[in-house]
Amino acid sequence: DVVMTQSPLSLPVTLGQPASISCRSSQGLVDSGGNTFLNWFQQRPGQSPRRLIYKVSDRDSGVPDRFSGSGSGTDFTLKISRVEPEDVGVYYCMQGTHWPWTFGQGTKVEIK
Amino acid sequence: EVQLVESGGGLVQPGGSLRLSCAASGFTFSGYWMSWVRQSPGKGLEWVAIIRQDGSEKIYVDSLKGRFTISRDNARNSLYLQMNSLRVEDTAVYYCARVARGAAGGDFWGQGTLVTVSS
Repeated sequence: DVVMTQSPLSLPVTLGQPASISCRSSQGLVDSGGNTFLNWFQQRPGQSPRRLIYKVSDRDSGVPDRFSGSGSGTDFTLKISRVEPEDVGVYYCMQGTHWPWTFGQGTKVEIK
Repeated sequence: EVQLVESGGGLVQPGGSLRLSCAASGFTFSGYWMSWVRQSPGKGLEWVAIIRQDGSEKIYVDSLKGRFTISRDNARNSLYLQMNSLRVEDTAVYYCARVARGAAGGDFWGQGTLVTVSS
């Protein structure tokens, strides 16, 4: 199985400041069609996961533009340009290129 | 508005069985792959199984093959997960998720149903 490794696992941030989460995959995530199925999810306390980013950098409808995704090959990053109170939660990267699809361990974002 | 509502979770003894259901609305259910994902404190988020639009293809995570069965009823806009020979380690919140078109993974998730396997 493809192992997804996130860092850091805990990220205390100051409101209004940027935040960055790294995700590394144990195998390349480009499929035979040239697509890279790397998603980012947000899970707020007590809620189910919500997809924020798909195919590395495409933002889902309704997701604020302060969230952005980047990367290629085996290294990917989620950035929040200015952290807001509602951004508190756990963020997961997830690969959908190789079955079984797999998630990272999660990064807990909290306000300092 | 897309809605996925799971039901059927509860407390079951090791070796027992449970059937989860997911009622879908707000989209053309028969037009999407669907999936079950589970989340436990010990193992985090884990894809359990996915099923093609017409039910003709089902893919499972290897560790659950033979014990879990995914199915769907497009006439009822419903997804199911039959879980047999349950183990303590199957304790988790089980989510129904719509598989995104052309992107893999789940683009909409239900609120989850808790399955507790304990004697």
